[in-house]
Amino acid sequence: SQQGEEDPQALSIQEGENATMNCSYKTSINNLQWYRQNSGRGLVHLILIRSNEREKHSGRLRVTLDTSKKSSSLLITASRAADTASYFCATDAQGGSEKLVFGKGTKLTVNP
Amino acid sequence: EAQVTQNPRYLITVTGKKLTVTCSQNMNHEYMSWYRQDPGLGLRQIYYSMNVEVTDKGDVPEGYKVSRKEKRNFPLILESPSPNQTSLYFCASSWARNTEAFFGQGTRLTVV
Repeated sequence: SQQGEEDPQALSIQEGENATMNCSYKTSINNLQWYRQNSGRGLVHLILIRSNEREKHSGRLRVTLDTSKKSSSLLITASRAADTASYFCATDAQGGSEKLVFGKGTKLTVNP
Repeated sequence: EAQVTQNPRYLITVTGKKLTVTCSQNMNHEYMSWYRQDPGLGLRQIYYSMNVEVTDKGDVPEGYKVSRKEKRNFPLILESPSPNQTSLYFCASSWARNTEAFFGQGTRLTVV
């Protein structure tokens, strides 16, 4: 079964607005990653946050992690049309297998 | 340039005709994996490999085989493809399962 689930499934905003996407997962993790995918292309790594971290920044990206709620959020500030893409979270469950599990993704559309 | 190379990019084949999708990485990564991406289902891990000669099943391994004879290569084999294996396939590599993953460009497979 999938570990990470993104919410919302789709998000449409205007250029300059902020975009927030959420990811929930089921079991304890070592870290959580966010990836971006332009239509039909390979995924590109955005940011990794460890289970002992609560917040991380990279440029216009801000990621938070709440291990008590088993959830993470990705905030893109001052969005641009070029941010239009699908965004996925990926998690690694502690113990057990060596799988890396992706969610179904949030499709973000930034309108010019 | 660090990269993951998949071939072919596009493939149309007939039911039952064995095929291999190749994947090669030039980063000396130990962890490699295959995913399939289907609308509404996100990325699902097919198989992964933690090192040479070490492979294990992901979430959707049925109908697929893999091998890891060398560190750089991780081919995906469909012994008898069926139409339900029509999908977009991605190969990825990383130092470990919970570190930044690098993705190939994808292989769009159609089985008729």
